Amino acid sequence: QSALTQPASVSGSPGQSITISCTGTSSDVGSYNLVSWYQQHPGKAPKLMIYEGTKRPSGVSNRFSGSKSGNTASLTISGLQAEDEADYYCCSYAGTSTFVVFGGGTKLTVL
Amino acid sequence: QVQLVESGGGVVQPGRSLRLSCVTSGFTFSSCGMHWVRQAPGKGLEWVAVIWSDGSNRFYADSVKGRFTITRDNSKNTLYLQMNSLTAEDTAVYYCASGAIISTWTFDYWGQGTLVTVSS
Repeated sequence: QSALTQPASVSGSPGQSITISCTGTSSDVGSYNLVSWYQQHPGKAPKLMIYEGTKRPSGVSNRFSGSKSGNTASLTISGLQAEDEADYYCCSYAGTSTFVVFGGGTKLTVL
Repeated sequence: QVQLVESGGGVVQPGRSLRLSCVTSGFTFSSCGMHWVRQAPGKGLEWVAVIWSDGSNRFYADSVKGRFTITRDNSKNTLYLQMNSLTAEDTAVYYCASGAIISTWTFDYWGQGTLVTVSS
């Protein structure tokens, strides 16, 4: 069982918006502004999409946005496109004992 | 451009050892913390280990502590993972990832991964 809880799957039609939640605890998501999100296409390496909860790396579409409230972080993808179909993982720093925790991943299907 | 290229994976018997390498280019390796992250077949991501930019600190996931050792050679821009006492639960694709300058705990670049299969 993963330390962070994500829905196993979400889906949406092209042009729509979807949100993926990531629920942790006060020992990880709730304590640090160090939540990141990664996109992974089948057979490929993960790619950083959001860092520090809300920031987008250079080159990542502004259709991707992140937020956090308490122990839950969220990734929103607006204007869904076929190329967004992938697995998405959240990740958080978890202090000097556990260090890093990942969510179990969410499979996004673009209908 | 930034490149991270892992090697050293393969099939190994339970209890044996394996050493992974990650050769990097396109960024200032000696300024970045570096990580290993693994992914068992059909499963999610699991953080394995981190090493500070100067090698002064190393931290491990409980699942590999005492069996795996992360090291680096800044003169060769290369990261290593020595894996001992391997078990079937260590079967996974192993990715090296760079920690972002702004935060070691953000993985900004990843290699393509190398598959380790532990089987008799």
